[in-house]
Amino acid sequence: AQKITQTQPGMFVQEKEAVTLDCTYDTSDPSYGLFWYKQPSSGEMIFLIYQGSYDQQNATEGRYSLNFQKARKSANLVISASQLGDSAMYFCAMREGTNFGNEKLTFGTGTRLTIIP
Amino acid sequence: DAGVIQSPRHEVTEMGQEVTLRCKPISGHNSLFWYRQTMMRGLELLIYFNNNVPIDDSGMPEDRFSAKMPNASFSTLKIQPSEPRDSAVYFCASSLETSGHGELFFGEGSRLTVL
Repeated sequence: AQKITQTQPGMFVQEKEAVTLDCTYDTSDPSYGLFWYKQPSSGEMIFLIYQGSYDQQNATEGRYSLNFQKARKSANLVISASQLGDSAMYFCAMREGTNFGNEKLTFGTGTRLTIIP
Repeated sequence: DAGVIQSPRHEVTEMGQEVTLRCKPISGHNSLFWYRQTMMRGLELLIYFNNNVPIDDSGMPEDRFSAKMPNASFSTLKIQPSEPRDSAVYFCASSLETSGHGELFFGEGSRLTVL
């Protein structure tokens, strides 16, 4: 079974509108972390936001927020007031457990977001 | 601050040749990861090290792939012999579990083309 599922291969959004990128995950570990990364056309992977499984509040970082619904095992990324520079691939990733050294991330297949002027 | 440094950025080689990709992690980071990205398979973890020790190499495709981390500031990923299906972007990433959320910091990647 896929650990991270991103069901939207591509999305087109008008500039200045908000956009939600979907991510669902699968784990039986009570302790885990969820990450979102951005990959622009230049290829680098940029860390955006993190949500821990025990965090009581949804994470926010500037225009990025994470809609964390633990019971549904979803961690959707919300980008407010989208900008042309937001056009990129977006990856959801999960780290399971808190064991020392157990820090590997499992990535979803990504969503290609295109912002339309 | 210097980020994760990978070399070469681009490599074109012929089938059967040996390929060595290099990575310098962020100073002070104690975990290092090698990922491969292809259109078909997305981002796959190949191997990762903690304190220079390989922790999980279950993602290494086959014996043609090997990785080493002789010290805290250097790692190599070697493919010998290379095959066209090895063509991909290879990312190195590093992290420090006690810093932030333990997020991974990625290098710019090494794009490998095997003809």
